[in-house]
Amino acid sequence: NAGVMQNPRHLVRRRGQEARLRCSPMKGHSHVYWYRQLPEEGLKFMVYLQKENIIDESGMPKERFSAEFPKEGPSILRIQQVVRGDSAAYFCASSPGGKAAYEQYFGPGTRLTVT
Amino acid sequence: AQTVTQSQPEMSVQEAETVTLSCTYDTSESDYYLFWYKQPPSRQMILVIRQEAYKQQNATENRFSVNFQKAAKSFSLKISDSQLGDAAMYFCAYRSAGGSNYQLIWGAGTKLIIKP
Repeated sequence: NAGVMQNPRHLVRRRGQEARLRCSPMKGHSHVYWYRQLPEEGLKFMVYLQKENIIDESGMPKERFSAEFPKEGPSILRIQQVVRGDSAAYFCASSPGGKAAYEQYFGPGTRLTVT
Repeated sequence: AQTVTQSQPEMSVQEAETVTLSCTYDTSESDYYLFWYKQPPSRQMILVIRQEAYKQQNATENRFSVNFQKAAKSFSLKISDSQLGDAAMYFCAYRSAGGSNYQLIWGAGTKLIIKP
């Protein structure tokens, strides 16, 4: 059973460009979380999605950031008009529904560098 | 709102010895989960151990064990027989058991250095 997959692993963007980060959850998992880790800090929650639904986006900046988890395909975190402050590692985690939902399995992360 | 505090930015231990990493948290909830995650230089986040708040017994996973003090809101991680491969950042995390959002709330991390 393949783990959580994220791509790309590294992404370099110039200021003003768009960044698209993809996350494929573990097989059978229908819950996806996105977290951001700034250098020398812990992770900060951004958004929680289930298939075709955003459950909680309270941690996501109101502008430039959006996320989706379509019925088919990976979850996408999209950052428009990137700025230097967006440079960070972005982690995706997935979990199954029901009682086992307490455990989140993490992908390897995407390191975004904005130049 | 819940918070998680790790007061030790860095800890070092001699190989084969025991080290304890501290974590405290603040919550008004009675039912929740606590986790320790390890982040090696590869940056992959790896679950080390978890504890359900309703369980009085401390969780153990091989050389890793926790000291869960619910009243004191303390959740420390003990690593026995430290190995070079244990060198990593260690994060303590909290998750509500109720509600509809199961986001993890994280501490700032402790860097563990293993001295050969």
